[in-house]
Amino acid sequence: AQTVTQSQPEMSVQEAETVTLSCTYDTSESDYYLFWYKQPPSRQMILVIRQEAYKQQNATENRFSVNFQKAAKSFSLKISDSQLGDAAMYFCAYRSAPQGGSEKLVFGKGTKLTVNP
Amino acid sequence: KAGVTQTPRYLIKTRGQQVTLSCSPISGHRSVSWYQQTPGQGLQFLFEYFSETQRNKGNFPGRFSGRQFSNSRSEMNVSTLELGDSALYLCASSFLQGSYEQYFGPGTRLTVT
Repeated sequence: AQTVTQSQPEMSVQEAETVTLSCTYDTSESDYYLFWYKQPPSRQMILVIRQEAYKQQNATENRFSVNFQKAAKSFSLKISDSQLGDAAMYFCAYRSAPQGGSEKLVFGKGTKLTVNP
Repeated sequence: KAGVTQTPRYLIKTRGQQVTLSCSPISGHRSVSWYQQTPGQGLQFLFEYFSETQRNKGNFPGRFSGRQFSNSRSEMNVSTLELGDSALYLCASSFLQGSYEQYFGPGTRLTVT
């Protein structure tokens, strides 16, 4: 079974600074997807960024980028120019490639990000 | 386009009772998944449905069940509630099975006393 580990329960960053959230995973599969989800306090979970394992290029979405190291099974999220609205729980998630179409996500325990003004 | 809606948003039940939670996916979405979120266990997959068929089920006891209707709306039921069932239950929908992106609802906060 796949597992996802987020070793930083809490992180803090100053507004406008850069922060990196760590995620490692364990799998025997070669094809899969990785995601970072954001869950603001009392608000809905939203997808921040995704990475397909077969792609060597790291995904980027505006101020959010990932460092995907497939051999090391590492998938970190970098947030640049942090904003107050970035404060939230961040979850790293794994999903097997769609063999039969399962969309089951395996989540890490999350990292609570605080942004200080 | 309206997002994923879940009803009720908050629920208080007593041990031994049963509860039904509802999820309406985004219009046109046919795939629905359910997750349980607790402080201790984090986010755990319950089950997923596509075109009224359960495609996958998580490691939860048989007290947890679900179904999906022809209009893609889904319900999950928990019978004989236990204190440990207190959690935020999240529903997610996607357009096609195997889609990259799932859209989450706001969740139903269930408290069992």
